[in-house]
Formats: sequence, C-alpha cells, structure tokens
Amino acid sequence: EVQLVESGGGFVQPGGSLRLSCAASGFTFSDHYIDWVRQAPGEGLEWVGRSRNKVNGYTTEYSPSVKGRFTISRDNSKNSVYLQMDSLQTEDTAVYYCARQMSIVGTTPFWGYSDYWGQGTLVTVSS
Amino acid sequence: IQLTQSPSSLSASVGDRVTITCRASQGISSYLAWYQQKPGEAPKLLIYAASTLQSGVPSRFSGSGSGTDFTLTISSLQPGDFATYYCQQFNTYPLTFGGGTKVEIK
Repeated sequence: EVQLVESGGGFVQPGGSLRLSCAASGFTFSDHYIDWVRQAPGEGLEWVGRSRNKVNGYTTEYSPSVKGRFTISRDNSKNSVYLQMDSLQTEDTAVYYCARQMSIVGTTPFWGYSDYWGQGTLVTVSS
Repeated sequence: IQLTQSPSSLSASVGDRVTITCRASQGISSYLAWYQQKPGEAPKLLIYAASTLQSGVPSRFSGSGSGTDFTLTISSLQPGDFATYYCQQFNTYPLTFGGGTKVEIK
C-alpha cells in the first residue's frame, strides 16, 4: 500500500526555520517525483516545489514565492523527502502536503499528476 | 500559467449533471489534472491528462479539453460528491492550481 506521512509541522516565529519530512512506503521511491503542495487556512491549493526522480538526477523546482527560502532534499536510504523552510513569513502559514507523482511510461515518459497524498502537516508562522 | 475555474461555487441537487470549467492563460496541451477535496482531507486525484479517469474513480466523473479550455463533468451528482474541485496544470513551471469550485447541496 502506498503511503506518504508528513511530520515536522508546528509553530514558528517570523524569520524562523522549520524542516518538514515526508516518509514514503509501498513503492519504489527512486522512480517517482515528489511534490510539496500547501494550503493556507480557508484557501486553495498552492504548488511549492518538486524533487525529481533518479532518472532525472533528483533535481528540484520551486515556486517563485518560496525560491531562495525553501530547499527540497531527499534521502533515498530512508525513502524520505524533506522541505527545509527558512526565513519564514506569516503568509507561509498553511497545511503542507507531500504528493507522489505518477510515472507514465510510453513513447515520451512523463512524470506528473499527484496520485497519492500525505495527510498534511500544519505550519503556523506567527509572532 | 494562470488557471481560472468557473464557477467558484455552485448549488446542485443529487442526480444533477454538474459541469466545471478550467481555462488556462496559455496553451497547456493536455497536461491537466482534476482533484476533489473534502474538508479536513487531502485532495484526491480524479482525472489526469485532461480526460483519463484515475483508477477507482466512479465513471460518473469525466474530463475533456485540450489547449486552454477544460471541463470536469459529474453526470449524476451523488451525496459524496459535495466537495471542492481543483484543476492543476503540469505543462509549465511553476505548476499552478485553479482557484477551486465548491459544490454545495441545494
């Protein structure tokens, strides 16, 4: 069974840091991209960033709203992806989800579409 | 790429046919997904590649479109379908979501 479990959320003051973890199980971790998506209270979904798979060199992408402040990394020995969040601002307050991306094989392989999601972890940035 | 969903909310009855649209500010081919989210839960993938039904999702859900205009249709609304629906494009970074459509009980 595919499972994603986030942890590490909590309360932090503006300017502070927090590291979220996403522990994966039930699938070949190195084959899949993992995205981070957040949702501010009462608001819609916002894509935060991405960790690509082994074939694509585990490279990363970020939303402009977090680029330079957030860093995504992964530890394949632990089947985990991390979201290091620095210089946190009040507008970063949200539930943070990690989501596995589908691997679609074919003439042109494609990695995308969030087929499994974690339960989310709440980050509150406030003074 | 901006995704504009309409309507932002709608009221419907069980058994109604419901259509939600998602318009992209530039062409995204068919790199679009639809999700359903209920309060307090993570989103659930319904449709990917604009029109492919995710495994386990009831066939009353369908998606269509390519380029800039996309549609999610629920052919006969069921009690468990009252939720918020989001589209997401996977064509261009940064990936983006639509603003959501809340489907409420009439």
